[in-house]
Amino acid sequence: EPEVTQTPSHQVTQMGQEVILRCVPISNHLYFYWYRQILGQKVEFLVSFYNNEISEKSEIFDDQFSVERPDGSNFTLKIRSTKLEDSAMYFCASRTGGGPPGNTIYFGEGSWLTVV
Amino acid sequence: GENVEQHPSTLSVQEGDSAVIKCTYSDSASNYFPWYKQELGKRPQLIIDIRSNVGEKKDQRIAVTLNKTAKHFSLHITETQPEDSAVYFCAASIQGGDDKIIFGKGTRLHILP
Repeated sequence: EPEVTQTPSHQVTQMGQEVILRCVPISNHLYFYWYRQILGQKVEFLVSFYNNEISEKSEIFDDQFSVERPDGSNFTLKIRSTKLEDSAMYFCASRTGGGPPGNTIYFGEGSWLTVV
Repeated sequence: GENVEQHPSTLSVQEGDSAVIKCTYSDSASNYFPWYKQELGKRPQLIIDIRSNVGEKKDQRIAVTLNKTAKHFSLHITETQPEDSAVYFCAASIQGGDDKIIFGKGTRLHILP
């Protein structure tokens, strides 16, 4: 069964450093998402991306965050200058689009980011 | 924007008994309600979903109910087993557009031997 894949699975970075988290969505999917989950808390929406542009973003997704789909397969999340509070599991997700079952969002395994 | 409230935050039930998790949502335009199960350190996995044109849906030991008027929806797990122990998240979404899903805070379900 096709899966959303994410790299790295775990990254430790110094505060103030830039981080890029990578995702390969399922190949025929058209809508892409990043979610964040701080340890022990709920999964929070960050951003949605469709047709090569951001379609919606949350308050969490400030100027320090950016997303890109550089080559038609990868979907990346960049954090320009990491803060301690950016430590979290970051989930990439995708869906096909259209009516059911195209609404079903599939999540990757996550990238655990630790900022020290 | 949409806000999803979920109760309880922790639930312990004896193996074989039933578990019920309840959620409310705020945006009456929401029309798609998935439930995810998350094991420790793993991704959320879709276990069942319901759309607003349906009041109830069942899949083996799992059932969901939806009350659109009250903006409530619930997950029912019958004959609970040890492998049901996990965190369960309800979520709500508006179909059409980017369909982002907004999650509740989660319920940690413990199945007691």
